[in-house]
Amino acid sequence: GQSLEQPSEVTAVEGAIVQINCTYQTSGFYGLSWYQQHDGGAPTFLSYNGLDGLEETGRFSSFLSRSDSYGYLLLQELQMKDSASYFCAVRDDKIIFGKGTRLHILP
Amino acid sequence: NAGVMQNPRHLVRRRGQEARLRCSPMKGHSHVYWYRQLPEEGLKFMVYLQKENIIDESGMPKERFSAEFPKEGPSILRIQQVVRGDSAAYFCASSPPGKVASPYEQYFGPGTRLTVT
Repeated sequence: GQSLEQPSEVTAVEGAIVQINCTYQTSGFYGLSWYQQHDGGAPTFLSYNGLDGLEETGRFSSFLSRSDSYGYLLLQELQMKDSASYFCAVRDDKIIFGKGTRLHILP
Repeated sequence: NAGVMQNPRHLVRRRGQEARLRCSPMKGHSHVYWYRQLPEEGLKFMVYLQKENIIDESGMPKERFSAEFPKEGPSILRIQQVVRGDSAAYFCASSPPGKVASPYEQYFGPGTRLTVT
């Protein structure tokens, strides 16, 4: 079957670095995307990995290993405004989103 | 450049009524996606449309739900005879032409929060 697994919650300290992992099981694969969603808000596109390796966009980086069916989102220099839910998403024969990782940031 | 527009933002319906949710994609975008999100849950794909065509409706319930994206005007998600279990946030997203149906670079609207009483 098709599935994406990511931790339900992660807690980190302001100014620190946090990594949110995502593993997927799909019959086809067209790249891994990451989205951020604040409470009551709309998901916002963060990054996309179509090929293996690291993509960096400011404080956020995303990594993909297709052979391991694994990716992660790395957030550096955490700020309180980064408190949100983060979703990984892939396309198999349909679009699948993970259930999201709620990131709590402590001052 | 206006983003994806959805209306209404909040919608309350009694059981058995119809709900119509509207979505206007970003200017220049020709792909529209509808998702449903329950509290504390991820987004669940419902349907993918291009103008006048339903491309993928594999996530849509077989009964009571329908979607369209006419040549003119917004995309409409229609829920007939709503039940309490339909209460959720419904998000629309759009992406530019030339990209296959993918979670890559989708731009989401603010969502419609449907409450069925």
